[in-house]
Amino acid sequence: EVQLLESGGGLVQPGGSLRLSCAASGFIFSSYAMSWVRQAPGKGLEWVSGLSGSGGNRFYADSVKGRFTVSRDNSKNTLYLQMNSLRAEDTAIYYCAKGGKGVVTNFDYWGQGTLVTVSS
Amino acid sequence: DIQMTQSPSSLSAFVGDRVTITCRASQDISNYLAWFQQKPGKAPKSLIYAASSLQSGVPSRFSGSGSGTDFTLTISSLQPEDFATYYCQQYNNYPLTFGPGTKVDIK
Repeated sequence: EVQLLESGGGLVQPGGSLRLSCAASGFIFSSYAMSWVRQAPGKGLEWVSGLSGSGGNRFYADSVKGRFTVSRDNSKNTLYLQMNSLRAEDTAIYYCAKGGKGVVTNFDYWGQGTLVTVSS
Repeated sequence: DIQMTQSPSSLSAFVGDRVTITCRASQDISNYLAWFQQKPGKAPKSLIYAASSLQSGVPSRFSGSGSGTDFTLTISSLQPEDFATYYCQQYNNYPLTFGPGTKVDIK
């Protein structure tokens, strides 16, 4: 059974940093692209960042480019999102999502999400 | 970036009704279109990929169609558990983009 478990969310001041983790199980983690998707309170879904199974291809939304860094540790079956220079508009539930074996693929499984609140 | 639009933004229907949601892409995305269902307070759930392929375990009352720029999600016989918001998403290229969502209420 595929499971994705996010952690690392919390309350952080504007300008601060936070690192999110997504622990994966139930599939060969290194073979699949992964993404982060966020949802601000009462709003729709926004793709944030993604990377290929090897980690060699990384992609970012313009809204987070230069501030967020996506990475993965295939030996630990874990996806990360390092978030720096956080802003109030980054407040959202952050979901990790499992992609396919290509570089650009659909999502088939989602985690339960972790809440990030940026506020003073 | 590819812009995704959906219509309607919300709808109300009776149990048993046939419901259709439309999604439009700002440029040709072939069939690289997915649909997701999200219930209040829950994570999204994947329903359809490649415009018309059902994810494993998704009831057959859900179906998708379309290619190029115009797509539809159809629920053939609406059930009470289908109360949710539905999003389309293109994965033709990065950045991946979602439609704004369609909220389905049960009358």
